[in-house]
Amino acid sequence: NAGVMQNPRHLVRRRGQEARLRCSPMKGHSHVYWYRQLPEEGLKFMVYLQKENIIDESGMPKERFSAEFPKEGPSILRIQQVVRGDSAAYFCASSRGEDEQFFGPGTRLTVL
Amino acid sequence: AQSVTQLDSQVPVFEEAPVELRCNYSSSVSVYLFWYVQYPNQGLQLLLKYLSGSTLVKGINGFEAEFNKSQTSFHLRKPSVHISDTAEYFCAVSDRGTYKYIFGTGTRLKVLA
Repeated sequence: NAGVMQNPRHLVRRRGQEARLRCSPMKGHSHVYWYRQLPEEGLKFMVYLQKENIIDESGMPKERFSAEFPKEGPSILRIQQVVRGDSAAYFCASSRGEDEQFFGPGTRLTVL
Repeated sequence: AQSVTQLDSQVPVFEEAPVELRCNYSSSVSVYLFWYVQYPNQGLQLLLKYLSGSTLVKGINGFEAEFNKSQTSFHLRKPSVHISDTAEYFCAVSDRGTYKYIFGTGTRLKVLA
């Protein structure tokens, strides 16, 4: 009974490069959420997706960030032209409906 | 909008002593409440949750929390802590029927020998 899977667990990028973070929800879950945890802070909601649809992206920065959850495959959080301020832990969660969310182990992004 | 306050950023406590980590939320509408623990460089592990029913909730590792609607609080307690409880603890709230979890800024529990 695998939980939410995220990869990579650690990602290092240089300024200006692209970062791609992947999230595979729990079996049977069709709702995916992305949260960001900046150093010394709590988690902040970024985006909520269902298969092939973005439901709520109110927490996403307006530029450089995008997310998708295709019909097949994992959800992807994409950060273009990364800057040092993007260094954070990015957590994915999934749920069966709009109910209890189960969190993955996170991807720690470091921008040099 | 819903918000969560964890007043104590750090709590040092001696081993085998009791501990309480405080959590208050802003809205009195029906809510779901959660406590998570995060060990260094790891993900979130659910300690306990309140969805409905009894206001005293028991979780893993000997932790419990009490939902107090009138005070909009959900404080986490453990009667006797261990060194291994040293970690960061996050309180989270979601308005019932919505999906957005609102997290507090966390409380760093340090258990001293």
